[in-house]
Amino acid sequence: AQSVTQLDSHVSVSEGTPVLLRCNYSSSYSPSLFWYVQHPNKGLQLLLKYTSAATLVKGINGFEAEFKKSETSFHLTKPSAHMSDAAEYFCVVSASGYSTLTFGKGTMLLVSP
Amino acid sequence: KAGVTQTPRYLIKTRGQQVTLSCSPISGHRSVSWYQQTPGQGLQFLFEYFSETQRNKGNFPGRFSGRQFSNSRSEMNVSTLELGDSALYLCASSQPREFGNNEQFFGPGTRLTVL
Repeated sequence: AQSVTQLDSHVSVSEGTPVLLRCNYSSSYSPSLFWYVQHPNKGLQLLLKYTSAATLVKGINGFEAEFKKSETSFHLTKPSAHMSDAAEYFCVVSASGYSTLTFGKGTMLLVSP
Repeated sequence: KAGVTQTPRYLIKTRGQQVTLSCSPISGHRSVSWYQQTPGQGLQFLFEYFSETQRNKGNFPGRFSGRQFSNSRSEMNVSTLELGDSALYLCASSQPREFGNNEQFFGPGTRLTVL
């Protein structure tokens, strides 16, 4: 069984300040971990993925995440927020090699000028 | 390469009716998964199809069904619609898991409203 907990339902930052979206996971298997972003009325876009290679994963648009097995965490960060980053972010886990995704509840990122 | 396409994008139905949603995967992708997104329950897995066979199913009632065609296109059907079926239905395509890459690419979704 696997599950994902996103620790914040909403995160508010100012443009140009760092972003931290927190995610903890639980998995019976060696997991694959993903972060997806969803802009209003749009589908899901993959930001980055971890599949047991490097623990620090770089994604699109300046986002990165670090896999920490000892803490069962996969937090998403970005050094400097942009207005266009305002969206909902989902942390996702799947058993490595399997297709079924288990989603967290999502974190809404709000970016103010 | 064209992305995942879903039709229709918006749909309004009344309780008791049935509905069919369509998904065309990325060319070359043979696995299609369906997800339901609601404000209360978030994103939940419905089912996965590969080579016209259902490989995995989420915890949804039998009113929810699907199928996949030989060209990998997939449809899902919901019979006897209930108000709680109002949701965004997302389709995702991927290479088969045997390829070792379980990255899924999502379509824009079909917004179903049940009145």
